[in-house]
Amino acid sequence: QVVQSGGGLMQPGGSLTLSCAASGFTVSNNYMGWVRQAPGKGLEWVSVIYSGGDTYYTDSVQGRFTVSRDNSRNTVYLQMNNLRVEDTAFYFCARGSQLGGWFDYWGQGSLVTVSS
Amino acid sequence: EVVLTQSPATLSLSPGERATLSCRASQSVGKYLAWYQQKPGQAPRLLVFDASNRAYGIPPRFSGRGSGTDFTLTISSLEPEDFAVYYCQQRTNWRITFGQGTLVDIK
Repeated sequence: QVVQSGGGLMQPGGSLTLSCAASGFTVSNNYMGWVRQAPGKGLEWVSVIYSGGDTYYTDSVQGRFTVSRDNSRNTVYLQMNNLRVEDTAFYFCARGSQLGGWFDYWGQGSLVTVSS
Repeated sequence: EVVLTQSPATLSLSPGERATLSCRASQSVGKYLAWYQQKPGQAPRLLVFDASNRAYGIPPRFSGRGSGTDFTLTISSLEPEDFAVYYCQQRTNWRITFGQGTLVDIK
């Protein structure tokens, strides 16, 4: 199970951190991803953190967003800095399968609204 | 970056009919393609991985096939709960991309 927290209304240029707490599995044994969905739009991959600690980002958030994990809390985080209006979306945390490149368990989503 | 193009954008069908959804990749992804179902207000749900393997608990009316650049998700006989948006997804090295989605709605 993956339970998300965080989200809310932020002004452009602001910062926000989303959390993704896992139960029933160990986040450090899997890769964990963040996927967002702007209202009424499709899915967009945002970031991923692999079991070895490597992190990757889509181009539009590179340098502004940071994915990390706390193994002691079995939790993954997405720190979002210098937020833009176009970052407004539902953000989903998802577990990557150990067997391949798909996401098998998803969090419930967190709404991030960036507006002045 | 691998671009996934789904067609059609919308598929209007009646319960009991067969749905055929397409996903085309801009370059070969081998068999490494997944399909998800998303209903309004919900997170996506994994249906198929590695092009043709149903995820746990997914009914057999859902089937996937394809390899390389052309993939298909078929719903053999639509149930009322199948009307939703469907996305394909691939991972090449570390980069992940999704198709733009196909809405299956009630005719």
